[in-house]
Amino acid sequence: EAQVTQNPRYLITVTGKKLTVTCSQNMNHEYMSWYRQDPGLGLRQIYYSMNVEVTDKGDVPEGYKVSRKEKRNFPLILESPSPNQTSLYFCASSPLGPGYEQYFGPGTRLTVT
Amino acid sequence: EDQVTQSPEALRLQEGESSSLNCSYTVSGLRGLFWYRQDPGKGPEFLFTLYSAGEEKEKERLKATLTKKESFLHITAPKPEDSATYLCATGGGADGLTFGKGTHLIIQP
Repeated sequence: EAQVTQNPRYLITVTGKKLTVTCSQNMNHEYMSWYRQDPGLGLRQIYYSMNVEVTDKGDVPEGYKVSRKEKRNFPLILESPSPNQTSLYFCASSPLGPGYEQYFGPGTRLTVT
Repeated sequence: EDQVTQSPEALRLQEGESSSLNCSYTVSGLRGLFWYRQDPGKGPEFLFTLYSAGEEKEKERLKATLTKKESFLHITAPKPEDSATYLCATGGGADGLTFGKGTHLIIQP
Protein backbone atom coordinates (compact mmCIF):
# COMPACT_ATOMS: atom_id res chain seq x y z
CA GLU A 1 0.00 0.00 0.00
CA ALA A 2 1.32 3.43 -1.00
CA GLN A 3 1.67 5.49 2.13
CA VAL A 4 3.53 7.95 4.30
CA THR A 5 4.31 6.70 7.78
CA GLN A 6 5.33 8.64 10.86
CA ASN A 7 6.65 7.57 14.24
CA PRO A 8 5.87 8.03 16.99
CA ARG A 9 2.20 8.92 16.68
CA TYR A 10 2.08 10.44 20.14
CA LEU A 11 4.92 11.87 22.20
CA ILE A 12 5.07 13.68 25.52
CA THR A 13 8.45 15.09 26.46
CA VAL A 14 10.09 17.74 28.58
CA THR A 15 11.70 21.01 27.62
CA GLY A 16 15.20 20.62 26.24
CA LYS A 17 15.19 16.86 25.65
CA LYS A 18 16.20 16.20 22.07
CA LEU A 19 13.78 14.19 19.97
CA THR A 20 13.36 12.90 16.42
CA VAL A 21 10.14 12.22 14.55
CA THR A 22 10.65 9.82 11.69
CA CYS A 23 8.91 9.97 8.32
CA SER A 24 9.07 7.41 5.56
CA GLN A 25 7.31 7.07 2.19
CA ASN A 26 7.19 4.10 -0.15
CA MET A 27 6.08 5.91 -3.30
CA ASN A 28 9.52 6.91 -4.58
CA HIS A 29 8.60 10.60 -4.30
CA GLU A 30 11.45 13.08 -4.56
CA TYR A 31 9.66 15.91 -2.73
CA MET A 32 8.94 15.67 0.99
CA SER A 33 7.90 18.23 3.57
CA TRP A 34 6.98 18.78 7.19
CA TYR A 35 4.03 20.80 8.49
CA ARG A 36 2.70 21.74 11.86
CA GLN A 37 -0.98 22.31 12.51
CA ASP A 38 -2.22 24.54 15.30
CA PRO A 39 -5.77 25.65 16.15
CA GLY A 40 -6.62 28.91 14.42
CA LEU A 41 -3.39 28.90 12.41
CA GLY A 42 -3.92 26.03 10.00
CA LEU A 43 -1.15 24.04 8.36
CA ARG A 44 2.23 25.74 8.16
CA GLN A 45 5.26 24.36 6.42
CA ILE A 46 8.38 23.84 8.53
CA TYR A 47 10.95 22.41 6.09
CA TYR A 48 10.91 20.76 2.72
CA SER A 49 13.23 18.68 0.60
CA MET A 50 13.40 18.59 -3.18
CA ASN A 51 15.59 15.50 -3.23
CA VAL A 52 18.32 13.64 -1.34
CA GLU A 53 20.68 16.08 0.42
CA VAL A 54 18.56 19.06 -0.71
CA THR A 55 16.54 20.75 2.05
CA ASP A 56 15.19 24.24 2.60
CA LYS A 57 13.26 26.27 5.14
CA GLY A 58 9.53 26.70 5.01
CA ASP A 59 7.47 29.31 6.83
CA VAL A 60 8.23 28.32 10.44
CA PRO A 61 11.68 26.62 10.60
CA GLU A 62 12.94 28.03 13.92
CA GLY A 63 13.78 25.32 16.44
CA TYR A 64 13.71 22.48 13.91
CA LYS A 65 16.24 20.57 11.84
CA VAL A 66 15.82 18.03 9.07
CA SER A 67 17.98 15.70 7.05
CA ARG A 68 17.47 13.81 3.81
CA LYS A 69 20.09 11.11 3.43
CA GLU A 70 17.81 8.64 1.68
CA LYS A 71 14.99 9.27 -0.74
CA ARG A 72 12.36 7.54 1.36
CA ASN A 73 13.17 9.08 4.77
CA PHE A 74 12.85 12.64 6.03
CA PRO A 75 13.22 12.89 9.83
CA LEU A 76 12.32 16.00 11.81
CA ILE A 77 14.67 16.84 14.67
CA LEU A 78 13.93 19.05 17.66
CA GLU A 79 17.27 19.52 19.41
CA SER A 80 15.92 21.50 22.36
CA PRO A 81 12.12 21.35 22.36
CA SER A 82 10.13 24.12 24.00
CA PRO A 83 6.45 24.27 25.00
CA ASN A 84 5.61 26.43 21.96
CA GLN A 85 6.48 23.45 19.79
CA THR A 86 3.55 21.52 21.20
CA SER A 87 1.57 20.80 18.06
CA LEU A 88 0.30 18.24 15.57
CA TYR A 89 2.97 17.44 13.00
CA PHE A 90 2.47 16.04 9.53
CA CYS A 91 4.93 14.71 7.01
CA ALA A 92 3.95 14.78 3.35
CA SER A 93 5.36 13.77 -0.01
CA SER A 94 4.60 14.66 -3.60
CA PRO A 95 5.27 12.93 -6.90
CA LEU A 96 5.48 16.21 -8.79
CA GLY A 97 7.25 18.57 -6.44
CA PRO A 98 6.39 21.78 -4.60
CA GLY A 99 3.15 23.45 -5.50
CA TYR A 100 1.47 20.18 -6.46
CA GLU A 101 -0.74 17.76 -4.55
CA GLN A 102 0.87 16.26 -1.50
CA TYR A 103 0.10 13.05 0.35
CA PHE A 104 0.13 13.25 4.10
CA GLY A 105 1.11 10.92 6.89
CA PRO A 106 -1.16 10.17 9.87
CA GLY A 107 0.37 12.81 12.10
CA THR A 108 2.41 12.99 15.30
CA ARG A 109 0.92 14.73 18.30
CA LEU A 110 3.74 16.26 20.34
CA THR A 111 3.38 17.72 23.81
CA VAL A 112 6.34 19.54 25.37
CA THR A 113 6.00 20.28 29.09
CA GLU B 1 2.31 36.83 -0.35
CA ASP B 2 -0.13 34.07 -1.21
CA GLN B 3 -3.35 34.09 0.76
CA VAL B 4 -6.14 31.54 1.00
CA THR B 5 -9.38 32.31 2.84
CA GLN B 6 -12.08 29.74 3.46
CA SER B 7 -15.67 30.38 4.46
CA PRO B 8 -17.63 29.64 6.44
CA GLU B 9 -15.39 28.53 9.31
CA ALA B 10 -18.03 26.04 10.38
CA LEU B 11 -21.20 24.72 8.81
CA ARG B 12 -23.87 22.48 10.23
CA LEU B 13 -26.29 20.81 7.79
CA GLN B 14 -29.03 18.28 7.98
CA GLU B 15 -28.51 15.02 6.15
CA GLY B 16 -29.54 15.56 2.51
CA GLU B 17 -29.23 19.36 2.70
CA SER B 18 -26.91 20.47 -0.12
CA SER B 19 -24.53 23.41 0.27
CA SER B 20 -21.24 24.91 -0.87
CA LEU B 21 -17.94 25.76 0.77
CA ASN B 22 -15.93 28.70 -0.49
CA CYS B 23 -12.20 29.17 -0.98
CA SER B 24 -10.96 32.55 -2.18
CA TYR B 25 -7.32 33.05 -3.04
CA THR B 26 -4.74 35.58 -4.08
CA VAL B 27 -1.62 34.02 -5.53
CA SER B 28 0.87 34.93 -8.18
CA GLY B 29 1.12 32.22 -10.77
CA LEU B 30 -1.44 29.67 -9.64
CA ARG B 31 -0.15 26.21 -10.33
CA GLY B 32 -3.12 24.42 -8.89
CA LEU B 33 -5.99 24.64 -6.42
CA PHE B 34 -6.27 21.66 -4.09
CA TRP B 35 -9.02 20.34 -1.86
CA TYR B 36 -8.37 18.04 1.06
CA ARG B 37 -10.56 16.34 3.62
CA GLN B 38 -9.29 16.00 7.20
CA ASP B 39 -10.86 13.83 9.88
CA PRO B 40 -10.09 14.59 13.55
CA GLY B 41 -6.58 13.54 14.55
CA LYS B 42 -5.72 12.32 11.04
CA GLY B 43 -3.70 13.57 8.12
CA PRO B 44 -5.32 15.50 5.30
CA GLU B 45 -6.65 13.27 2.53
CA PHE B 46 -6.24 14.56 -1.01
CA LEU B 47 -9.51 15.04 -2.92
CA PHE B 48 -9.09 17.20 -6.04
CA THR B 49 -6.75 19.35 -8.05
CA LEU B 50 -8.08 22.12 -10.30
CA TYR B 51 -5.77 23.90 -12.69
CA SER B 52 -7.76 26.40 -14.73
CA ALA B 53 -10.86 28.56 -14.45
CA GLY B 54 -13.96 26.70 -15.50
CA GLU B 55 -12.60 23.32 -14.54
CA GLU B 56 -14.80 20.99 -12.50
CA LYS B 57 -14.12 17.67 -10.79
CA GLU B 58 -16.47 15.28 -9.03
CA LYS B 59 -16.18 12.49 -6.54
CA GLU B 60 -19.29 10.89 -5.10
CA ARG B 61 -21.30 13.71 -3.46
CA LEU B 62 -18.54 16.30 -3.89
CA LYS B 63 -17.94 18.61 -6.83
CA ALA B 64 -15.17 21.19 -6.96
CA THR B 65 -15.22 24.19 -9.28
CA LEU B 66 -12.71 26.94 -9.99
CA THR B 67 -12.88 30.57 -11.10
CA LYS B 68 -10.06 33.09 -11.39
CA LYS B 69 -10.48 34.21 -7.79
CA GLU B 70 -12.19 31.41 -5.92
CA SER B 71 -13.11 27.77 -5.74
CA PHE B 72 -16.24 26.09 -4.46
CA LEU B 73 -16.72 22.66 -3.02
CA HIS B 74 -20.34 21.69 -3.59
CA ILE B 75 -21.77 18.95 -1.40
CA THR B 76 -24.92 17.32 -2.74
CA ALA B 77 -27.25 15.40 -0.45
CA PRO B 78 -24.58 14.95 2.22
CA LYS B 79 -24.47 12.06 4.65
CA PRO B 80 -23.14 12.03 8.23
CA GLU B 81 -19.94 10.36 7.01
CA ASP B 82 -19.18 13.53 5.03
CA SER B 83 -18.58 15.32 8.32
CA ALA B 84 -14.97 16.52 8.38
CA THR B 85 -12.83 19.61 7.99
CA TYR B 86 -12.32 20.54 4.36
CA LEU B 87 -9.09 22.30 3.49
CA CYS B 88 -8.28 24.33 0.43
CA ALA B 89 -4.71 25.00 -0.71
CA THR B 90 -2.97 26.77 -3.55
CA GLY B 91 0.24 25.82 -5.27
CA GLY B 92 2.44 28.22 -7.13
CA GLY B 93 5.40 29.04 -4.99
CA ALA B 94 8.75 27.37 -5.13
CA ASP B 95 8.41 25.96 -1.66
CA GLY B 96 5.01 24.35 -1.47
CA LEU B 97 1.33 24.75 -0.73
CA THR B 98 -0.47 27.57 1.05
CA PHE B 99 -3.41 26.27 3.06
CA GLY B 100 -6.56 27.95 4.23
CA LYS B 101 -7.75 27.38 7.78
CA GLY B 102 -10.52 25.06 6.69
CA THR B 103 -14.28 24.68 6.98
CA HIS B 104 -15.51 22.39 9.74
CA LEU B 105 -18.54 20.59 8.32
CA ILE B 106 -21.05 18.71 10.45
CA ILE B 107 -23.83 16.68 8.87
CA GLN B 108 -26.57 15.81 11.29
CA PRO B 109 -28.66 12.66 10.71
